[in-house]
Amino acid sequence: KAGVTQTPRYLIKTRGQQVTLSCSPISGHRSVSWYQQTPGQGLQFLFEYFSETQRNKGNFPGRFSGRQFSNSRSEMNVSTLELGDSALYLCASSLGGGDYYEQYFGPGTRLTVT
Amino acid sequence: DAKTTQPTSMDCAEGRAANLPCNHSTISGNEYVYWYRQIHSQGPQYIIHGLKNNETNEMASLIITEDRKSSTLILPHATLRDTAVYYCIVRVEMKTSYDKVIFGPGTSLSVIP
Repeated sequence: KAGVTQTPRYLIKTRGQQVTLSCSPISGHRSVSWYQQTPGQGLQFLFEYFSETQRNKGNFPGRFSGRQFSNSRSEMNVSTLELGDSALYLCASSLGGGDYYEQYFGPGTRLTVT
Repeated sequence: DAKTTQPTSMDCAEGRAANLPCNHSTISGNEYVYWYRQIHSQGPQYIIHGLKNNETNEMASLIITEDRKSSTLILPHATLRDTAVYYCIVRVEMKTSYDKVIFGPGTSLSVIP
């Protein structure tokens, strides 16, 4: 079974621009979560989508948004990029629908904001 | 605020058991303990999870104390490929009914030849 895939793997943007990252979950998984990882803050939870609905949300500003499509693929958007948004953005999928949080992570998208 | 505390770093000799502790003193009755690890430049990898009973799979064993306030991840025969940052997390329920998944800084395990 194919794992979680994220595109693109690397991205360079300038301040003020916006960016869209894509995540394809494992086949059959309905939950997709997004995380931001930086050396200073570690792994931080952004949001989770389940059946096209945002189910959980972390403490990030409204510039960070996401959506999930009917095939469970998810996109994350960051508007008005700031230097501090430079990070590894990780997507994780799980079956969802229960108490389990056995998540499978993708390789991440490395975003650099200049 | 992370709901778990772990040592910042640990060393383990290759071939020996690696025992990674985690404190989660405020865990509530229906919260699971999960362990993940992250090898440099890769996404985190699920290892194991448990609620009350000890658990074992092909990767590791999880020992949870009877009061559930702490747990230990055991890698029975550590190899160099086990060098990674190990995260212990619990699922946190919030008053708003949103869950907030919190990863702490984890334990950086170095397996020494």
